Amino acid sequence: DGGITQSPKYLFRKEGQNVTLSCEQNLNHDAMYWYRQDPGQGLRLIYYSQIVNDFQKGDIAEGYSVSREKKESFPLTVTSAQKNPTAFYLCASSSGWRSTDTQYFGPGTRLTVL
Amino acid sequence: GNSVTQMEGPVTLSEEAFLTINCTYTATGYPSLFWYVQYPGEGLQLLLKATKADDKGSNKGFEATYRKETTSFHLEKGSVQVSDSAVYFCALREGGSYIPTFGRGTSLIVHP
Repeated sequence: DGGITQSPKYLFRKEGQNVTLSCEQNLNHDAMYWYRQDPGQGLRLIYYSQIVNDFQKGDIAEGYSVSREKKESFPLTVTSAQKNPTAFYLCASSSGWRSTDTQYFGPGTRLTVL
Repeated sequence: GNSVTQMEGPVTLSEEAFLTINCTYTATGYPSLFWYVQYPGEGLQLLLKATKADDKGSNKGFEATYRKETTSFHLEKGSVQVSDSAVYFCALREGGSYIPTFGRGTSLIVHP
């Protein structure tokens, strides 16, 4: 079955540590996205990538970094510079830039900073 | 810029009640409109979409009609079930843009 996988589902980290969240898709989609979700705040875009080896900052990129070395993979690193990293992180993909293109979401990773 | 406004939640209903979740939008072009659903602890999944004015999207008993004259895309269901309890997101996407615009989400709670 085609889809998006995120791992791990739950992640705990100590303050001051960097942590990397995994996102893999087998939908052959060009575009991939990372969102952050906090209670009552909807979705906020962190980074997106239109194609391999290219990515753009979203609305809240500070304290995060990404890479896009392979079409199917778009890992997100939450660095120690991110002041409030505890949140639910969602990865998504879509086939392109058409208005009709649906976004497909992974199951999410819940990050808790201890 | 583009924007999507959804009614504040939570919306609390009894099983078999009629559901309406309002969504209005502002867009510069001719967007497609989407409803996504997020069940507790999960990612979002597409519920339905409409790609042009007067189109009706439907799925699992939910419906929404793309109304250009009122810039609305209200979600309706005739008889809700406990299993419909979730957060519902309205979204729009314009051609040429990689970035959809999402509403803040509306939580639906259905009691037996």
